[in-house]
Amino acid sequence: GAVVSQHPSWVICKSGTSVKIECRSLDFQATTMFWYRQFPKQSLMLMATSNEGSKATYEQGVEKDKFLINHASLTLSTLTVTSAHPEDSSFYICSADPLAGHSYEQYFGPGTRLTVT
Amino acid sequence: AQSVTQLGSHVSVSEGALVLLRCNYSSSVPPYLFWYVQYPNQGLQLLLKYTTGATLVKGINGFEAEFKKSETSFHLTKPSAHMSDAAEYFCASSSNTGKLIFGQGTTLQVKP
Repeated sequence: GAVVSQHPSWVICKSGTSVKIECRSLDFQATTMFWYRQFPKQSLMLMATSNEGSKATYEQGVEKDKFLINHASLTLSTLTVTSAHPEDSSFYICSADPLAGHSYEQYFGPGTRLTVT
Repeated sequence: AQSVTQLGSHVSVSEGALVLLRCNYSSSVPPYLFWYVQYPNQGLQLLLKYTTGATLVKGINGFEAEFKKSETSFHLTKPSAHMSDAAEYFCASSSNTGKLIFGQGTTLQVKP
């Protein structure tokens, strides 16, 4: 149980376009999901906390107008990178907490590799 | 502020040798601690976690970790390394907000 999927697994887009990444909890409901960014050979950096039915909470330094997060249902959160630039190229990983912060455990998706040309 | 420090960005062991990956944390409140493994171009898989109770925690694939409050440590060990253990390992702590704070990661190399 506790499977999280992401789609697409990889995407290449042109500079200036927008890209949407989906994160789904397949066998549980998640009122809270998290979005991370990971550069090569580096650790995960939390970008934002996605809350079902309310606005996302962004970490300091993360542009909320550039990284749009929508948590429309209990099993789906989306991250849209708007007006993408080459420096947005990265590995984006989502996670979900089955108990909305009370289990202190997150289940991670397989990640999405974004390349902006 | 909470932080997690992994000592050694790269650890190399021979197949069959002991694996020891070090993790120290700082927290003003009792932390919840985790070890995750990441294979190339994949997400993170939970190896084990400490929340409360027994300080020696056993996880998957033969790994275990011991929570030592006096040393603020949560080192990961495995008695005998396998080639398939080669991966990136992350130590993390969680506060009562549910957010995870990750260490910098340790690359484990296993030599035949």
